[in-house]
Amino acid sequence: KNEVEQSPQNLTAQEGEFITINCSYSVGISALHWLQQHPGGGIVSLFMLSSGKKKHGRLIATINIQEKHSSLHITASHPRDSAVYICAVLSGGSNYKLTFGKGTLLTVNP
Amino acid sequence: GAVVSQHPSWVICKSGTSVKIECRSLDFQATTMFWYRQFPKQSLMLMATSNEGSKATYEQGVEKDKFLINHASLTLSTLTVTSAHPEDSSFYICSANSGDSPYNEQFFGPGTRLTVL
Repeated sequence: KNEVEQSPQNLTAQEGEFITINCSYSVGISALHWLQQHPGGGIVSLFMLSSGKKKHGRLIATINIQEKHSSLHITASHPRDSAVYICAVLSGGSNYKLTFGKGTLLTVNP
Repeated sequence: GAVVSQHPSWVICKSGTSVKIECRSLDFQATTMFWYRQFPKQSLMLMATSNEGSKATYEQGVEKDKFLINHASLTLSTLTVTSAHPEDSSFYICSANSGDSPYNEQFFGPGTRLTVL
């Protein structure tokens, strides 16, 4: 079983829909990242959070440390949001190692 | 946000040759850089952690003699794939930590696609 599980693996939505991507992890963590990877491969860091909720534009990320679960929400989705969204957890302790989920492929149709 | 560049963005080489990939932090100093490998439809896998001025720390199963990492300055780390073989064909991504704390954000390079013929 992977330490970081994402669901769904694939998600197709119509423009304007509200999107939720989930991430569950089984290890103790000090922080969690949400990343966006476009078809060309480049990765953009969307959020890093260790508690509560963060918002940036149409993107919202939440984390529940007790339940070892995080969600990424996209409001008013747009075709340009189409990408792979990756959850990565930073292990507790002094190392910097990130463990990645397999990603969720989001396709937003016009 | 901070910018990390990689060069080249793609490379095709013959089996047995060596390939060097550069990772640069353009507007910040990075004491720690990370090298990842991503196979098609797979998640990123950490290969090694590169610390400026010291030897890299390799993950289990990654051959240090095959994947040479040099972090000679606070803005540059290089990964050299020695005697490359077709199974080394992959997408190589670096990232840089913007500070001394693991809670500092990591910034990712655009990746280098290596194809070994």
